[in-house]
Amino acid sequence: DVKVTQSSRYLVKRTGEKVFLECVQDMDHENMFWYRQDPGLGLRLIYFSYDVKMKEKGDIPEGYSVSREKKERFSLILESASTNQTSMYLCASSTPLGLGANVLTFGAGSRLTVL
Amino acid sequence: AQRVTQPEKLLSVFKGAPVELKCNYSYSGSPELFWYVQYSRQRLQLLLRHISRESIKGFTADLNKGETSFHLKKPFAQEEDSAMYYCALRAGNTGKLIFGQGTTLQVKP
Repeated sequence: DVKVTQSSRYLVKRTGEKVFLECVQDMDHENMFWYRQDPGLGLRLIYFSYDVKMKEKGDIPEGYSVSREKKERFSLILESASTNQTSMYLCASSTPLGLGANVLTFGAGSRLTVL
Repeated sequence: AQRVTQPEKLLSVFKGAPVELKCNYSYSGSPELFWYVQYSRQRLQLLLRHISRESIKGFTADLNKGETSFHLKKPFAQEEDSAMYYCALRAGNTGKLIFGQGTTLQVKP
C-alpha cells in the first residue's frame, strides 16, 4: 500500500542536463515537500507546496524549481544539474487536518548522481 | 532562527543498555516536535510525536521547554533499533518540518 511514489529510484545525469523528479501521493494530502538528504547534514527542505499551483521556498531552493499542477503530483526540476546536486531526494506529503495532522509520509527516495 | 540540533552523529551501545538520543531545538513559538526513524533500506517514517505522549517500540520522548530539548530514550536497546534517527520541529502554522542532522544508532550484540 505505497502512498507516496517517486518515479525514479536511481538516476545518473551529466552536468548541465535538465532533470525532472516526479512524486505522486494517493492520500489526498494538501501539503507536499521536497527534501534532500545528505550525510551529516540531515534533511534540508528545498521547496514545499500547500495547495495546487502554490509553492514556497524552503532553506535551499537555489538551482531548483517545482511544479504542482495537480493535487496529487509534485515535481522537482533541476534546470541545469551540477555535481553538488548529487544527493538523495525525498518527497513527502502531509495533511493539516485530523489526528495525523502534519505527520509526513515519505517516498522511497530518488538517488541522483550528477557526473 | 528555527533550528534543530542533534549533537551526536553516531551512538553505539550494547544490546540491553539504555539509549538516549539528544535533540535540542531553537524556536520562539510553541513547538511541535517529532522523531522520525529510517531503518536500513526502508523509508523514513514517524516514530513518535510529543503531542501524542505515547511510547512506541519502547521509545519515549519528553518535551522540556525550559531546556528546549526533546531527547529520545529507551531503557533497554535491541539490535533491531539500529537505524538513523531524525528529530524534527514544525515551524509556525505551515506543515513545514525542520530536521536535525540525524543520529545513527548502532546496537551491538
